[in-house]
Amino acid sequence: EPEVTQTPSHQVTQMGQEVILRCVPISNHLYFYWYRQILGQKVEFLVSFYNNEISEKSEIFDDQFSVERPDGSNFTLKIRSTKLEDSAMYFCASSAPSGRGNEQFFGPGTRLTVL
Amino acid sequence: AQSVTQLDSQVPVFEEAPVELRCNYSSSVSVYLFWYVQYPNQGLQLLLKYLSGSTLVKGINGFEAEFNKSQTSFHLRKPSVHISDTAEYFCAVTFIQGAQKLVFGQGTRLTINP
Repeated sequence: EPEVTQTPSHQVTQMGQEVILRCVPISNHLYFYWYRQILGQKVEFLVSFYNNEISEKSEIFDDQFSVERPDGSNFTLKIRSTKLEDSAMYFCASSAPSGRGNEQFFGPGTRLTVL
Repeated sequence: AQSVTQLDSQVPVFEEAPVELRCNYSSSVSVYLFWYVQYPNQGLQLLLKYLSGSTLVKGINGFEAEFNKSQTSFHLRKPSVHISDTAEYFCAVTFIQGAQKLVFGQGTRLTINP
């Protein structure tokens, strides 16, 4: 069964460093998303991506964040200069193009720890 | 603004007992409703969804949920739980018009005791 994969599973970085979180969505999906979950809090939407551009972003997704689909398979989230408060679990998701209410398929997440 | 509230952060139950996980939402527009489950060290997996039609929806692993528009609720139920149901459960909505982002509740940790 196709699945969304994410690498790495755990990333530790120093404050101020750049990190890139990688995701491989399901191959025939066209909508891509990033969510994050700070420990003990709810899962929050960061950004959605369709047709090679951002379709929506939340207030969290400021200039320190960027997304890219560099090739036909990967979908990346870059945090340019990490802050302590960026420590969280980051989930990638993808969905098929067949209409509204589509199931979003989630990856296992990347746990980012900023020291 | 739209929001989702899961009234219980933790629910402990005994094996083979029934369980209900509560979810209420607030929205000025029509929504689609979802329940996701997260097993330890795994991603979020869809349990069931309500888009339209019958208000009682059945999902995987014996779970079901009922959409109640007047009470803006979408409670999840299972008549008899198993140890393997131990997980975090998330209620979520997305909006029929506009963006497809999911808005999640805080999650409910279901613990099954033998």
